Amino acid sequence: QVQLVESGGGVVQPGRSLRLSCAASGFTFGSFGMHWVRQAPGKGLEWVAVISFDGSKKFYADSVKGRFTISRDSSRNTLYLQMNSLRAEDTAVYYCAKELTGSNFHYWGQGTLVTVSS
Amino acid sequence: EIVLTQSPATLSLSPGERATLSCRASQSVSGYLAWYQQKPGQAPRLLIYDAFNRATGIPARFSGSGSGTDFTLTISSLEPEDIAVYYCQQRNSWPLTFGGGTKVEIK
Repeated sequence: QVQLVESGGGVVQPGRSLRLSCAASGFTFGSFGMHWVRQAPGKGLEWVAVISFDGSKKFYADSVKGRFTISRDSSRNTLYLQMNSLRAEDTAVYYCAKELTGSNFHYWGQGTLVTVSS
Repeated sequence: EIVLTQSPATLSLSPGERATLSCRASQSVSGYLAWYQQKPGQAPRLLIYDAFNRATGIPARFSGSGSGTDFTLTISSLEPEDIAVYYCQQRNSWPLTFGGGTKVEIK
């Protein structure tokens, strides 16, 4: 069965960096686009970034463009999110999600909490 | 950016009643709209994609309709386990956006 397991969250000071990972199993990782979606405490869902199945295309939300980088390693079946210049407003649970058809989020991980605070 | 507005913000119904949730887009998203259910402490779950297609394993009481700018998620007969927040999401254009959610409560 499809499994997505995020890791790498934690408490970090403003301006610092953090890298999230998402280990995928149960499907052919290299055949699907992958996304990061976040949810601030008590708030709604916000799409963050997408990477195409082969890594050739990437899109970002304006709120993270220039600070976050999405990448993937198909040899390790792992998705990454490099987050630089973190701000308090980046505090959220970060989910990785696998596409179904197009950018529909078919499967989700359990999420990893990132807290940006001094 | 396409803004999705969901209504009502909260829906209080009794078990067995019909729930109708609305999602309105600031511009046409064609048929590229999905619905998700999120229960407390859990990740969201895909219910409906591309306006009316039920995802695998989703009960038949959930149905979606609409196109262009106006969409509806209907729960034909509310079950206690349907208590959750429901979000719509469009994939017609970048950036992908979500609605603010509708909370469904049991009366």
